[in-house]
Amino acid sequence: AQKVTQAQTEISVVEKEDVTLDCVYETRDTTYYLFWYKQPPSGELVFLIRRNSFDEQNEISGRYSWNFQKSTSSFNFTITASQVVDSAVYFCALRNVVTGGGNKLTFGTGTQLKVEL
Amino acid sequence: NAGVMQNPRHLVRRRGQEARLRCSPMKGHSHVYWYRQLPEEGLKFMVYLQKENIIDESGMPKERFSAEFPKEGPSILRIQQVVRGDSAAYFCASSPEGGSGNTIYFGEGSWLTVV
Repeated sequence: AQKVTQAQTEISVVEKEDVTLDCVYETRDTTYYLFWYKQPPSGELVFLIRRNSFDEQNEISGRYSWNFQKSTSSFNFTITASQVVDSAVYFCALRNVVTGGGNKLTFGTGTQLKVEL
Repeated sequence: NAGVMQNPRHLVRRRGQEARLRCSPMKGHSHVYWYRQLPEEGLKFMVYLQKENIIDESGMPKERFSAEFPKEGPSILRIQQVVRGDSAAYFCASSPEGGSGNTIYFGEGSWLTVV
C-alpha cells in the first residue's frame, strides 16, 4: 500500500522568508512518480512538478526547489523568498507503476502555508 | 488550450436529491479520474475511466455513486439520494494516456453542498 505523509499541517512565515514543506512517502514499488500540487484559496489544483523514482537530481524552478532523497523516502519542497501569493495548501502525491493500479494518485493531507506581510 | 473543465463549480442539493457533476478532459486526453476532497482532508481517489470503460473504481462508495465517460460528451459523476456526508469538493482530472509517468491535470473542482 502507498502512503504519503505531510506532517506539517500549517506553516506561517513572514514574507521573504524561506520555507520548506516536508513530504515522506511509503511504497513497495521500485518505480514510481512523485508530484506536488498547489491549491490556492480559489480552490483549483495547480500542478507544480513531477519526478520519477530514478531521477534523484534536485530541481529548481525560479523560487521553487525540490529535494528528492530516495534513501529517506522524502520529496521536500522549498520556496525561497516567500511571497503572499504563495499562500495556499500544498499537496504531495505518489503514483505507482503497477499494471491495473498504476493510475491512482495517493495524496498527503496537505500543508497549509500562510505567508504574511 | 482549455484545461480540464468542470461544471457546475458549486452545487447545492437537498438530502435525497441527485447530484450530477460533469467533466470535460483536456483536449487530446482520453483518460479521466475523479477525486473527492472532504473538508480538512486530502484528495481521495474515486474512479478512473477511459472512453466507455471503467478501469478502476476501487475508491467509489458501493452505493449511490456512479460514473461514466461516454463515447461522446463529458464524463459524469452521479450521486443519488445525497446525504450530508457527501458534501465535499469533487475534482476531475485527465491525462493523455494511462501511463503512470504522465502528469494528471486537475480541473477547478465542483463543490457540492447538501442541505
